[in-house]
Amino acid sequence: EIVMTQSPATLSVSPGERVTLSCRGSQNVGFNFAWYQQKPGRAPRLLIYNRSIRATGVPARFSGSGSGTEFTLTISSLQSEDFAVYYCQQYDDWPYTLGQGTKLEIK
Amino acid sequence: QVQLVQSGAEVKKPGTSVKVSCKASGYTLTGYYLHWARQAPGQGLEWVGWLNPNSGVTRYTQKFLGRVSMTRDTSINTAYMELTSLTSDDTAVYYCAAVVTASTGACDVWGQGTRVAVSS
Repeated sequence: EIVMTQSPATLSVSPGERVTLSCRGSQNVGFNFAWYQQKPGRAPRLLIYNRSIRATGVPARFSGSGSGTEFTLTISSLQSEDFAVYYCQQYDDWPYTLGQGTKLEIK
Repeated sequence: QVQLVQSGAEVKKPGTSVKVSCKASGYTLTGYYLHWARQAPGQGLEWVGWLNPNSGVTRYTQKFLGRVSMTRDTSINTAYMELTSLTSDDTAVYYCAAVVTASTGACDVWGQGTRVAVSS
């Protein structure tokens, strides 16, 4: 199965900062790639799919890029509600797999 | 409003089975693939499998083969996931999710989760 590796595991940032999260796949997944946000006790929320398309209702400060095996999620100016865990996912090959998550915490 | 509503928390003994329901609201269940994922305490997300509610066709992750069954009852717009031979490793929150407006495999509608605890 395709292994998705996220870095870093934890990121301490201040509100208003620009932040970039990374995800690497063990194989080429083309554009079949998504990012999710999850807050404690809540279900995941889809942010980005097909590498760079924002899901319905997702603010423009979230953007996705990359292809093949390397992907990034950029949050242009962190808001208080953005502190959460972020997961990357590939859906190019079965089974669909996710990274272990990057936790954004307040600095 | 499109949403998925799951059944309540369960506590099970090792070796028994659990059946979690997922009711679609605001749309017809047969319109979109229905996925199941789980999250063990303090861990990341793990895909369990998917169900095509229209045809009943399923696909499961290798590690769950032989133990999981995904079904649906279209008359009540509800899908089910049953997991048998439970062990403590199956303690997790189980989510159903659907791809409604996004792309295959990227789930944009999620249930609230069902907590399953396996303990003797």
